Parts: sequence; C-alpha cells; structure tokens
Amino acid sequence: ELKVEQNPLFLSMQEGKNYTIYCNYSTTSDRLYWYRQDPGKSLESLFVLLSNGAVKQEGRLMASLDTKARLSTLHITAAVHDLSATYFCAVDEDSNYQLIWGAGTKLIIKP
Amino acid sequence: DVKVTQSSRYLVKRTGEKVFLECVQDMDHENMFWYRQDPGLGLRLIYFSYDVKMKEKGDIPEGYSVSREKKERFSLILESASTNQTSMYLCASTLWGDQETQYFGPGTRLLVL
Repeated sequence: ELKVEQNPLFLSMQEGKNYTIYCNYSTTSDRLYWYRQDPGKSLESLFVLLSNGAVKQEGRLMASLDTKARLSTLHITAAVHDLSATYFCAVDEDSNYQLIWGAGTKLIIKP
Repeated sequence: DVKVTQSSRYLVKRTGEKVFLECVQDMDHENMFWYRQDPGLGLRLIYFSYDVKMKEKGDIPEGYSVSREKKERFSLILESASTNQTSMYLCASTLWGDQETQYFGPGTRLLVL
C-alpha cells in the first residue's frame, strides 16, 4: 500500500527565512504533485514532477524529486507572508491517475 | 481555463437524509474524482470515474455512491447521511492521459447534524 508522508505537518516561520518541506513515499513512482490550499479555498496546482531529478521553480518556491530516495522537497526561499497556506504533496500510484495524498503541511509565515 | 464547479459551498443536513453533491466541469475531461478532506488526513479518494457510466471505488467508498450520466457531470450521493460524513468534499477532473494535474472545484463543506 502506497503511503505518503509529509514533514513537518505544521511550520511557523519568520519572513525572510528559508525552509524545506519534505514528502516521502513508500513505493516506486515517478510522478509527484505539489498543491497549495488557502484557508477555506480549494486546491491549486503548484508543480508536477515527472522524472527522477526533476526540479521546478516558481518565484520563491522550488520543488525537486528524487525517485531513488522516494523523496520530494518543496523549498521556500526568503519566505513572505503571502506564502502562508497548507501545502500538499501527492503521488500517482501505478499511473492510473489515482493520487495518494500526504496529510498536508500548514505553513504560517509571520511578518 | 478549466472550470470545475460544485453545486453548493455549504450544506447542512440531518442524519438519515439523502444528500446529493454535484460537480460539473467544462473542459471535456474524461476523469472525474470525488475526495473528502479532513484535518490531518489529507485528501482521501471516495470514487472516481473514467468515462460516462463508468466508476471505480476509491479508498473510502462506504456510505457513498456516484453517478456519471453525462461526461461533464459527476454526482456524489450519500444515501443516508451520518454525522461521520461531516467533511469537506472536493471534486476534481483531469484529461485521460494528462499527466499534468487535477483541477479542483471550490469544495462543499457538509455538516450532518
């Protein structure tokens, strides 16, 4: 059974700091997704990582995928308050378009 | 832009009532999904459909059924609502063969009293 674990589940940080959210998964997969959810809102796609070594960046967020380690990271550089949200990773199991989701990381960035 | 809409943002029902949640997407997507989201549990797949009249159980189908009579519309049905079905329900859709992303609706927050 595929499991997806995010770490940490809650993160409070100051503006301007760097931090990393980790997403570990338990079986082989080469498709990993990062989503953002603002309070009371639905999920918004951030990144899709489709191969080992994939790296994608947008603004202050950068995501990477290591399929051998079964690990994806979401790195936040010089955090700003607008990045406060809950971040989810999800893994595509067996390429059947069913996603297995992590529990989410609630990120609070204090001004 | 893909648009996924859900029939209600907030819903309050009583135990034992039959509840219909409807999802409509306007981009001709083959795949549609129903999830529930609960704090600390992430998203859990209830059912998905890969074509009209086709459905597959997800991880937690018990207490739910679905209907897909038209390609753009995917309904989630709670035959007899129970308090443990109080949750946020999210609908999503994606193209068959599209490895990019699932597009989500705004969610329906259901409270069962």
